[in-house]
Amino acid sequence: DIQMTQSPSTLSASVGDRVTITCRASQSISSWLAWYQHRPGKAPNLLIYKAFSLESGVPSRFSGSGSGTEFTLTISSLQPDDFATYYCQQYDSYPWTFGQGTKVEIK
Amino acid sequence: QLQLQESGPGLVKPSETLSLTCNVSGGSVSHSTNYWGWIRRPPGKGLEWIGNLYYSDSTYYNPSLKSRVTISVDTSKNYLSLSLSSVTVADTAIYYCAQSPVSAVAGAFQIWGQGTMVTVSS
Repeated sequence: DIQMTQSPSTLSASVGDRVTITCRASQSISSWLAWYQHRPGKAPNLLIYKAFSLESGVPSRFSGSGSGTEFTLTISSLQPDDFATYYCQQYDSYPWTFGQGTKVEIK
Repeated sequence: QLQLQESGPGLVKPSETLSLTCNVSGGSVSHSTNYWGWIRRPPGKGLEWIGNLYYSDSTYYNPSLKSRVTISVDTSKNYLSLSLSSVTVADTAIYYCAQSPVSAVAGAFQIWGQGTMVTVSS
């Protein structure tokens, strides 16, 4: 199985901060990576697919980059709605796997 | 617009079979432009992929669950189902159904249900 490791596990930040979350794959997954935002009690929300493609309707402050084994999700200016847990997911090969999550908290 | 809604028993006894359904509205569960998945999140843990079903009826399951899990569709009622046998407390989780379109997004889950909590306890 491909292991996905996110860092950090928790991140404290303020509104307006630039935030970067890293996701590393245990082997190359090309660009077959998605990022999700998950708020408590809500359905996960797709932000980025194919490593860098912004899902329709997602604010442009979210961006994704990387390929191979190292990927990043960047929020250019953190907004109040962005305090949530973020997950990466690889869909290069089965079984599909998720990172353990990064919780973005209010500083 | 496509919407998904999971439903299930809420509480299941150890060793029994968990059965969940995912009602699909705003689209057809048998349409070839979509495929379907189940994902779960145990308390205090991250997301775990359970399996996928494709319009060709082919399925892929997480090997950690493969011998216990079945994903299927009921085209007459337009819903997706999940069956997980011989459950233990480790199967306690919020269970989500999700859709991935056969498009550039394919592989990422674009639409998710709200999730349904299942507790395994005697």
